[in-house]
Amino acid sequence: SQQGEEDPQALSIQEGENATMNCSYKTSINNLQWYRQNSGRGLVHLILIRSNEREKHSGRLRVTLDTSKKSSSLLITASRAADTASYFCATDWDSSYKLIFGSGTRLLVRP
Amino acid sequence: NAGVMQNPRHLVRRRGQEARLRCSPMKGHSHVYWYRQLPEEGLKFMVYLQKENIIDESGMPKERFSAEFPKEGPSILRIQQVVRGDSAAYFCASSPQELNTGELFFGEGSRLTVL
Repeated sequence: SQQGEEDPQALSIQEGENATMNCSYKTSINNLQWYRQNSGRGLVHLILIRSNEREKHSGRLRVTLDTSKKSSSLLITASRAADTASYFCATDWDSSYKLIFGSGTRLLVRP
Repeated sequence: NAGVMQNPRHLVRRRGQEARLRCSPMKGHSHVYWYRQLPEEGLKFMVYLQKENIIDESGMPKERFSAEFPKEGPSILRIQQVVRGDSAAYFCASSPQELNTGELFFGEGSRLTVL
């Protein structure tokens, strides 16, 4: 069964707007990661947040983690057309060496 | 610094043939992971290998699929007697150490089409 589930499955916004994606998981984790995938390409790591952290920033990205609710959110501020991609959360719930990916959010940023 | 290299990028096979997918991890990385992705879906873990050892193959079908990471050379994901349901993108990823400290580095994937 899926460990991480992203919400929404698809998101369409105008350039300049903010995009928020959510991820829920089922069991305790050591860390949670977000990845981006452009169409037809491999995944690129965006940010990692550890279970003892609540918020992390990287450029226009802000990630929060709520371990009590077993959820995380990824906020992309001032979106650009180039942010159009699929975004996946991944957790290491099963072990320290295996990442389990969610089903992803497909983001479309309209110019 | 070369990233994770996968080849072939695209592979077409007829039902019953064999598919061999190769992955060279990033320099200095000794941990390799294979994932499968169906269209519009997330990545499904298949197998985790270290040099000459399969650590976890719990996500790999017991029949027709095998993986190896020899002392020398790339990691190989082998699918025997392919069926149409094997059509997918297969991604390899590597890391320098166990994941409790860091991220995975992905290749661009090998897209298998079974006719």
